[in-house]
Amino acid sequence: RKEVEQDPGPFNVPEGATVAFNCTYSNSASQSFFWYRQDCRKEPKLLMSVYSSGNEDGRFTAQLNRASQYISLLIRDSKLSDSATYLCVVKAGTASKLTFGTGTRLQVTL
Amino acid sequence: EPEVTQTPSHQVTQMGQEVILRCVPISNHLYFYWYRQILGQKVEFLVSFYNNEISEKSEIFDDQFSVERPDGSNFTLKIRSTKLEDSAMYFCASQGTQGRYEQYFGPGTRLTVT
Repeated sequence: RKEVEQDPGPFNVPEGATVAFNCTYSNSASQSFFWYRQDCRKEPKLLMSVYSSGNEDGRFTAQLNRASQYISLLIRDSKLSDSATYLCVVKAGTASKLTFGTGTRLQVTL
Repeated sequence: EPEVTQTPSHQVTQMGQEVILRCVPISNHLYFYWYRQILGQKVEFLVSFYNNEISEKSEIFDDQFSVERPDGSNFTLKIRSTKLEDSAMYFCASQGTQGRYEQYFGPGTRLTVT
């Protein structure tokens, strides 16, 4: 089983749509969870940390289900500029390495 | 806003040559990392560094690789004898000691081994 599993997509959605990405992780000892965004041939950029209670940042909402080892990201009112690959990332401890999923590609169209 | 910087942005080298990739982490961060991403694949961890020593390394990080913090600002990755399969984007990341312990990435060095 992959450490972090994501649907690679691509997800093609029109501007203004709501889109959701899911991710599962295998290490039950994981402590921290993140969504990063990566544009083509660029570095991963932190989008948001994911808290146990769920959290929202503008149009983005992240949820964590520790029992199911499942993380989600919801993007509302998609913009063209949201087109990117979204990386689900987990971390076992405070200073531990990040473990990345393969990413889910989003393409927002007019 | 503070950021991680990396040089060079692109390095072309011949198989068997040594390369040094350089990173300047965010100034008050104490944890440093190297990751790589082969084209079309996921980001993979190479090594973490704290308090002037390696804290964790992956199986990719064999004897051909080394890391160093030669002064108070730079953090380097050396590949002693490059192989074709070392061609990848190499990302440096740094992490602070507060909050959510988030890691921030530099823009990467594209290494091409011919």
